[in-house]
Amino acid sequence: KQEVTQIPAALSVPEGENLVLNCSFTDSAIYNLQWFRQDPGKGLTSLLLIQSSQREQTSGRLNASLDKSSGRSTLYIAASQPGDSATYLCAAAGGTSYGKLTFGQGTILTVHP
Amino acid sequence: DGGITQSPKYLFRKEGQNVTLSCEQNLNHDAMYWYRQDPGQGLRLIYYSQIVNDFQKGDIAEGYSVSREKKESFPLTVTSAQKNPTAFYLCASSRGPKQETQYFGPGTRLLVL
Repeated sequence: KQEVTQIPAALSVPEGENLVLNCSFTDSAIYNLQWFRQDPGKGLTSLLLIQSSQREQTSGRLNASLDKSSGRSTLYIAASQPGDSATYLCAAAGGTSYGKLTFGQGTILTVHP
Repeated sequence: DGGITQSPKYLFRKEGQNVTLSCEQNLNHDAMYWYRQDPGQGLRLIYYSQIVNDFQKGDIAEGYSVSREKKESFPLTVTSAQKNPTAFYLCASSRGPKQETQYFGPGTRLLVL
């Protein structure tokens, strides 16, 4: 059974800092790894999807990497801003024919001015 | 303006009552999903549907039921058999049953009176 863990559970940084969020998964037989953002009381917004054959994906100030052999993914946020404050969730898509995602518990990020 | 809508935003359930959460999408997606989110936890899959008139149980289906009579709609009923229904419920869709980005609705918060 796939298990996904995110470290740290919470992170507080000053504005402008570069930061890394970590995600680990126990079963390397994944189709892809997805990163989402969730604002309080809201739904999830997709940030990046890395296919199992890829090593990384970039979107603006966000860069996500994937190392299947070690069961790890990282989300790198450059030049953080207060608007980046949210909960960040990673999810591993399992090796089945449907899009089952196994989610981590999330990292609560606070960027203070 | 394409997207996923969920209603109501808040729902109150009395003891022994069945309640239905609505999920509609106009993205022309084949696959739809229902997740439950409890405080401090990641999302857990309740039910999913790859195509109209077909659906399968997820990890925590007990006490819930669904239907998929139309491509655009995937309502979730929380039955009286679900003894701990208080949670945030999220609906999602993806283009197909393969591993693709899932798009989420804004969520429904269910509370027990």
